[in-house]
Amino acid sequence: AQKVTQAQTEISVVEKEDVTLDCVYETRDTTYYLFWYKQPPSGELVFLIRRNSFDEQNEISGRYSWNFQKSTSSFNFTITASQVVDSAVYFCALRPGTASKLTFGTGTRLQVTL
Amino acid sequence: KAGVTQTPRYLIKTRGQQVTLSCSPISGHRSVSWYQQTPGQGLQFLFEYFSETQRNKGNFPGRFSGRQFSNSRSEMNVSTLELGDSALYLCASVYEQYFGPGTRLTVT
Repeated sequence: AQKVTQAQTEISVVEKEDVTLDCVYETRDTTYYLFWYKQPPSGELVFLIRRNSFDEQNEISGRYSWNFQKSTSSFNFTITASQVVDSAVYFCALRPGTASKLTFGTGTRLQVTL
Repeated sequence: KAGVTQTPRYLIKTRGQQVTLSCSPISGHRSVSWYQQTPGQGLQFLFEYFSETQRNKGNFPGRFSGRQFSNSRSEMNVSTLELGDSALYLCASVYEQYFGPGTRLTVT
């Protein structure tokens, strides 16, 4: 069975602070993919990143960075110098290598204030 | 390239009725997945279609069904609607890298 845990339900930060969103996953598959999505109030899921299980290299994209650690089954997401536009719900998700079926975490609501 | 489109965007139905939602994936892509999002259950996988064939199905009752056409457009149907079917229904293209804007279904 696949499981994704996002223990942080809601995080509030002041603009320009750094924030890390945690994601822990469980799977018995050796090949799998991990995703992060952003869901603004409009409801659309915006794809941020996909990582496969064989690529533990950390990724940086602008103010976003991701830390994938198989040893701890974690795939954490850091926003540096947060901005008000980063306010949204963020979902971590897991997909087995052999099927197109995402298992989502419960999401972390990030609120960035001035 | 046009993104994933879903119609209608909003829908209000009465308990017991049936509803059909439509999704068109990114042009040229043959895989479509459907997800239901509710406050109580979160985001849950409904089914996946590839080249008109259902490849995967989630744990939903038989009232939820779908199909895919030769042009890759997909429809999902919910029969005998229940109040608990009120949700945001999302479809995805290209192995979940691109989601549509969703259809918000309200059952009264």
